[in-house]
Formats: sequence, C-alpha cells, structure tokens
Amino acid sequence: QVQLQESGPGLVKPSETLSLTCTVSGYSISSGYYWGWIRQPPGKGLEWIGSIYHSGSTYYNPSLKSRVTISVDTSKNQFSLKLSSVTAADTAVYYCARAVVVVAATSVYNWFDPWGQGTLVTVSS
Amino acid sequence: QSVLTQPPSVSAAPGQKVTISCSGSSSNIGNNYVSWYQQLPGTAPKLLIYENNKRPSGIPDRFSGSKSGTSATLGITGLQTGDEADYYCGTWDSSLSVHVFGTGTKVTVL
Repeated sequence: QVQLQESGPGLVKPSETLSLTCTVSGYSISSGYYWGWIRQPPGKGLEWIGSIYHSGSTYYNPSLKSRVTISVDTSKNQFSLKLSSVTAADTAVYYCARAVVVVAATSVYNWFDPWGQGTLVTVSS
Repeated sequence: QSVLTQPPSVSAAPGQKVTISCSGSSSNIGNNYVSWYQQLPGTAPKLLIYENNKRPSGIPDRFSGSKSGTSATLGITGLQTGDEADYYCGTWDSSLSVHVFGTGTKVTVL
C-alpha cells in the first residue's frame, strides 16, 4: 500500500523560502510514476503546483514556475518542494501525491492517487 | 480563478441521487480525461473517478462518472451521510499546460 507523508516547517516568514519533503513508503519512486505537489488555501479550492518524474524531469504550474523547484531523492525515496519569495497568499495546506501522467496521441491522462495527509504552512512574520 | 466550473453546492435526502457538473472547454475537458476527488471534512482529497468513468479499487459503484463534449458529470446514488464532502473535478489543460481543478461542490445530505 503506497503512503505519502509531508514534512517541513509549519511557519515561514514572508520573502523566505518554503521547503517541504514528501516521504513515500510502500513503493519505490525509482520504479516509475510522476510525483506531484498540490496546495489548498484555507477554505478554498485545489491548485496544482508541479510534478516530477523519477528521472528528475519536471513540469510546473506556469503561474508559480518562477518561484518553484521540485526535486527527487530516489536514495531516500523522497521528493521535495521549494517555493521562494513567499507571501501571505502562499498560506495553504500542501499535499503531495503520486501522479499518473500519460500523453497519448490527442489526449492527456492525468490524475493523482494516493495523496498525503497534507501539512499546513502559514506565511507570517 | 479556475477554468473548470462546478455548482457550489448540491443536496438531497439519504438514499437519493445527486449529480455534480463540471464545465470546461475544448482545451481541457473537451480533449483530455477527467478525474474526480472526494474531500471529507479535514482530510486530504481521495480519487473517486479517473479516465472519465473508471473507479479505483475500493470505490463503490454508487459513484459514477461521465463526459460529454466539454462537460463532465459525477453521479452519486444511494446517498449516505458519509458522502457529505467537497467534490472536485480535475483534468489537464493543453492550452495553459497546467493541471486544473474545478471550483468544488459541497454535497449535503438532508
């Protein structure tokens, strides 16, 4: 059974860098799949941040691309998120998830399963 | 602001059926596959439907998905109090190059 667990500081100061790690158990990241980050501001909807393949190739939400870095450490079976220059608008519950991404001839298959339990990150001085 | 529009809320009595719509465009729902997620209060989203109408193992057949043109629909039959949750649709948007989620729908069991 695949399980994911987010970890990292719950409080980050404005203008600093948010750093989170997702530890995967029950499945080896190097075996395949993409791995993604999604966030949810309090009381609001879901926003995809970006995803990474086990080989290290990444793709990001264009609206966050200039501030986001996602990396993978297959030796630790972990992948990480860094979001720079944070503001109060980045306050959210951050989820990691396994992502299925298949680009067919004319269509894209893309969904997330399973998800981690999420971790609340508050941006405040 | 999401490119996928869902009704803010739907409600029905126990045992009844509800449907949740997800309206998009040709760059997202019209040409890509849709997934649906259930988010119970205080918990992480859970995959309910993938590839428009397929259910992962363990998801009861009370949940169903369909797609027509640029819209998708999630159906829940035999509504139970445990189905009270927020539901989100999701798909890839080929024009924006981004995975998009719907605005979310709160299901209330009366």
